[in-house]
Amino acid sequence: EAGVVQSPRYKIIEKKQPVAFWCNPISGHNTLYWYRQNLGQGPELLIRYENEEAVDDSQLPKDRFSAERLKGVDSTLKIQPAELGDSAVYLCASSPPVLNTGELFFGEGSRLTVL
Amino acid sequence: AQSVAQPEDQVNVAEGNPLTVKCTYSVSGNPYLFWYVQYPNRGLQFLLKYITGDNLVKGSYGFEAEFNKSQTSFHLKKPSALVSDSALYFCAVRDPSRAGANNLFFGTGTRLTVIP
Repeated sequence: EAGVVQSPRYKIIEKKQPVAFWCNPISGHNTLYWYRQNLGQGPELLIRYENEEAVDDSQLPKDRFSAERLKGVDSTLKIQPAELGDSAVYLCASSPPVLNTGELFFGEGSRLTVL
Repeated sequence: AQSVAQPEDQVNVAEGNPLTVKCTYSVSGNPYLFWYVQYPNRGLQFLLKYITGDNLVKGSYGFEAEFNKSQTSFHLKKPSALVSDSALYFCAVRDPSRAGANNLFFGTGTRLTVIP
């Protein structure tokens, strides 16, 4: 079974440029999460989707960040314009609809460096 | 609000010795607790979880964790460390009182180094 797939793995951009990250969750997982992991820190939730609906985006900086999951499968996280402080690893995770016990399946992450 | 604390940024242990990675939590009600491991340039991998039942839970790769409600702790343990266990370990908590919210709150991580 394929795991959570993210791309690109690495991205280097200059500040004020836009950037987008893509995530394809495990087949059948209706819940999708975007986390941000700063260097030396634990992951912090940015947004959670249940199917195509964003049910928790309270931690998403909406002035520059946006996300979508149009068909309830893959998702895109966008930053426009990027700032120096956005340098981090952006992790996507998914979880199945059953049990809801909190086990998340993570992708390998997209490492963003803003110069 | 829920939170977890991992008091040690770094733990060093000799190969073959027992290891412990500490975690304390704060949450209203009964917590769901998790341990995840992160190898270099990889995503987080689930190790084990405590939902209810026995306080000692067993997980992947020979790891186990003990839930202690009175001390609000959930320490990760392994009887005999392997060099391949060297990685970054994260404790996480979910607040089950938030119905439908599968959000995990992670600690800052503990880097485990097993010395050959």
